[in-house]
Amino acid sequence: GNSVTQMEGPVTLSEEAFLTINCTYTATGYPSLFWYVQYPGEGLQLLLKATKADDKGSNKGFEATYRKETTSFHLEKGSVQVSDSAVYFCARAGGYQKVTFGTGTKLQVIP
Amino acid sequence: DVKVTQSSRYLVKRTGEKVFLECVQDMDHENMFWYRQDPGLGLRLIYFSYDVKMKEKGDIPEGYSVSREKKERFSLILESASTNQTSMYLCASSPGTSGSRYNEQFFGPGTRLTVL
Repeated sequence: GNSVTQMEGPVTLSEEAFLTINCTYTATGYPSLFWYVQYPGEGLQLLLKATKADDKGSNKGFEATYRKETTSFHLEKGSVQVSDSAVYFCARAGGYQKVTFGTGTKLQVIP
Repeated sequence: DVKVTQSSRYLVKRTGEKVFLECVQDMDHENMFWYRQDPGLGLRLIYFSYDVKMKEKGDIPEGYSVSREKKERFSLILESASTNQTSMYLCASSPGTSGSRYNEQFFGPGTRLTVL
């Protein structure tokens, strides 16, 4: 079936450090891929998406590139801020517009 | 902006009680979803609905049922609550078949349910 695997956290970084959160997905079909973010006490919100191979999604300084050859969609940011502290979920679209989520990676950014 | 609201942020119930969790979206979305979120397990789909009065089982439907009598409202029902249903419950909606954002999901703030 459809699945998404993302690196386990928590990830702790100093402010202005470079962030990578790895994500791989099962390659059934040509799914849309997403990163969602969940700030403390809130629901998830879409951070960025990519709909086909080699697409790059970007938002708020975060980027992720749809890599079909490696079935990956790694999240990156060049310089993290304390306000980026949250849980990040990688996800892939499936049939009936269902979305399969990874288990989430908690990011803590310290000043 | 799309708004998805859930009836309660926190709920405490007793084992065996019938529990209703309500979700309302205001953007005329076709699809609605119920998830539970548990540490280390991420989000797991309980049920979803792609039209009024239509429902489909997700990955973990046991012990739950749903109701969608109106397009904007999707209810999750725990027929007889048990302690292993203590969790965070998240409702989401997505537009459906039209537009570039058809499969993007919009989430409510969640209901943290504790079953004693």
